[in-house]
Amino acid sequence: GESVGLHLPTLSVQEGDNSIINCAYSNSASDYFIWYKQESGKGPQFIIDIRSNMDKRQGQRVTVLLNKTVKHLSLQIAATQPGDSAVYFCAETQNAGNMLTFGGGTRLMVKP
Amino acid sequence: DTAVSQTPKYLVTQMGNDKSIKCEQNLGHDTMYWYKQDSKKFLKIMFSYNNKELIINETVPNRFSPKSPDKAHLNLHINSLELGDSAVYFCASSQRGRDEAFFGQGTRLTVV
Repeated sequence: GESVGLHLPTLSVQEGDNSIINCAYSNSASDYFIWYKQESGKGPQFIIDIRSNMDKRQGQRVTVLLNKTVKHLSLQIAATQPGDSAVYFCAETQNAGNMLTFGGGTRLMVKP
Repeated sequence: DTAVSQTPKYLVTQMGNDKSIKCEQNLGHDTMYWYKQDSKKFLKIMFSYNNKELIINETVPNRFSPKSPDKAHLNLHINSLELGDSAVYFCASSQRGRDEAFFGQGTRLTVV
């Protein structure tokens, strides 16, 4: 399925604050979701994933929330640091294959 | 010890030329992919290749063709390059049964 559109929204937060990045997906058959972080000049890097049988998963300083009812995914970053500045993408896939469909991305800027 | 490596990192070429981008993964994965990222950072799957199975995104022009000499390599050939082909191309790999994909650093292709 196709996710969000082609614009790149920006989220600006103060260092030490919590960040919440949102993602909408359209394919109700998707059962696996990943958040990727892409720093300037680099490839996307895995942050955290979640399967559709869960609604919350926590990692180190990051939490992913999944609301299947409204097809919404969010990434929460606690105590945001300057090194968190990057573009964040959500991606979805189905069991039938591993091809990922990416959302449009959100640029996170952390102010010192 | 780079997991997924692409060459070249930058490629500048004239319209009408034919070029190739190489990709190698040393993770022992059985599936490799090519993604295209446009100027708005939108990431789109182009190909998925697993052993002998090639899955093509139907929107990809047939000027683009993946070539896999072995499980660890998936090269991208592009014929008759056009201005609209300018983008960053990412190679990725994953293991069937595990959906997380690992990405290379990208190849920035500029067609002039």
